[in-house]
Amino acid sequence: DTEVTQTPKHLVMGMTNKKSLKCEQHMGHRAMYWYKQKAKKPPELMFVYSYEKLSINESVPSRFSPECPNSSLLNLHLHALQPEDSALYLCASSQDSGGFYEQYFGPGTRLTVT
Amino acid sequence: AQRVTQPEKLLSVFKGAPVELKCNYSYSGSPELFWYVQYSRQRLQLLLRHISRESIKGFTADLNKGETSFHLKKPFAQEEDSAMYYCALVTGGGNKLTFGTGTQLKVEL
Repeated sequence: DTEVTQTPKHLVMGMTNKKSLKCEQHMGHRAMYWYKQKAKKPPELMFVYSYEKLSINESVPSRFSPECPNSSLLNLHLHALQPEDSALYLCASSQDSGGFYEQYFGPGTRLTVT
Repeated sequence: AQRVTQPEKLLSVFKGAPVELKCNYSYSGSPELFWYVQYSRQRLQLLLRHISRESIKGFTADLNKGETSFHLKKPFAQEEDSAMYYCALVTGGGNKLTFGTGTQLKVEL
């Protein structure tokens, strides 16, 4: 299996809801990433997990809470989001942490906050 | 500051014409640069990286440290090359990628 999968594909949530995004890979990669991508903009790094530990948090608001239960799974817990948080959320993985390694991207979850 | 600049939001060329997608960077250390591509309805994927010096799908990119550039070139554009192309720079002490703003390439028949 050489793909990164993300669920759900689409998510609509109210500002008081709690929801989670899920990402999974079975390539044995030890680094996993969350990116946020607004329309017609490049991906912006949010979090990096390396060997299941959070290694980078790009000053992301606490309403976004990442979790890495094991080396194959990465979650992003969402709570009390704002409409401006509506975006495509991309998960990626790489063999090891660091920009030098090829990152494999998932298809993304399109999030709409109402 | 570490930065990647892609000056063209949109580049239109005719099939068979040469293609050059521009990328300039600003980085104090020794740069590591990549080109990522996103075809319509597909996920973002690596196209090539400068350290491998390989040609992928007919595309090449040469790192020019003097001009701080990493332009992507292809001698003869094909319709299937139409996509969004992102230049990316390794930053943060090697810990992350910083993407440029992207160039949408449209190859017309």
